[in-house]
Amino acid sequence: GAGVSQSPSNKVTEKGKDVELRCDPISGHTALYWYRQRLGQGLEFLIYFQGNSAPDKSGLPSDRFSAERTGESVSTLTIQRTQQEDSAVYLCASSLGDSNQPQHFGDGTRLSIL
Amino acid sequence: GDSVTQMEGPVTLSEEAFLTINCTYTATGYPSLFWYVQYPGEGLQLLLKATKADDKGSNKGFEATYRKETTSFHLEKGSVQVSDSAVYFCALSPSGAGSYQLTFGKGTKLSVIP
Repeated sequence: GAGVSQSPSNKVTEKGKDVELRCDPISGHTALYWYRQRLGQGLEFLIYFQGNSAPDKSGLPSDRFSAERTGESVSTLTIQRTQQEDSAVYLCASSLGDSNQPQHFGDGTRLSIL
Repeated sequence: GDSVTQMEGPVTLSEEAFLTINCTYTATGYPSLFWYVQYPGEGLQLLLKATKADDKGSNKGFEATYRKETTSFHLEKGSVQVSDSAVYFCALSPSGAGSYQLTFGKGTKLSVIP
C-alpha cells in the first residue's frame, strides 16, 4: 500500500493478557519507529529500527514491552501482562532513513485494557 | 532532556480568522523543528519543517519560523478554513546522535466554525 499500515485498528483486552501489534512500513523505508500516545498527551518515543542495526530501545517503558523487525519489513510490538496504564494509541512510523527525513505515520492501534 | 511546550487548546476560531499556535522548545544544539497535523479519523501527517535557525517552513497556507533566540516555532495561518480543523503537534528532533527521535508537544486541537 501507499502508506504505513497498522493492525488491528482497535484492540480491547483484559488486564494481564499479552497483545501483539503489527506495523507494515512504506516499501523502501529503512527506518521504523513506534510511539505511544496516551489520552491528552503528546507522543512518546518507544523504539527505533534502522536497517539491520541494533534497535534503539531506550523509550520502552518496561521489560513487558518488546518489539521485533525482520530486515526492512514488518514490525511487531508486543506487550506482555498488560496493565491498565498501557491503554493508549500506539503509532508506527517509517522513513527513508534518519536525520531529518520526514516520518510517515500509520493510523495507530487504539489499545484498551479492561 | 529535550522538551516541547505548545499552547493548550482547544482553540475555536471563526472561518477566515488569523491563527497562531505557540510552540517553544528546550534542546541542546540546533534541533530540527516540525509541525504535524492530525485530521479527524486520520493519521499524523507532516505539515511543515525547518532545519536551521531563521528557516521558514510553509505548507497549505501555514507558516512557522525557526527562532533560535526565543527557542520558538509558532504556527501561523492568515485565514483559516473549516477544513483546517484538526489537532496540531509541534515536534523536534535533536541534532547529532539520536536525531531520529522526535519529541512531541501535547497537541493543540483547533476547531474552525463557519
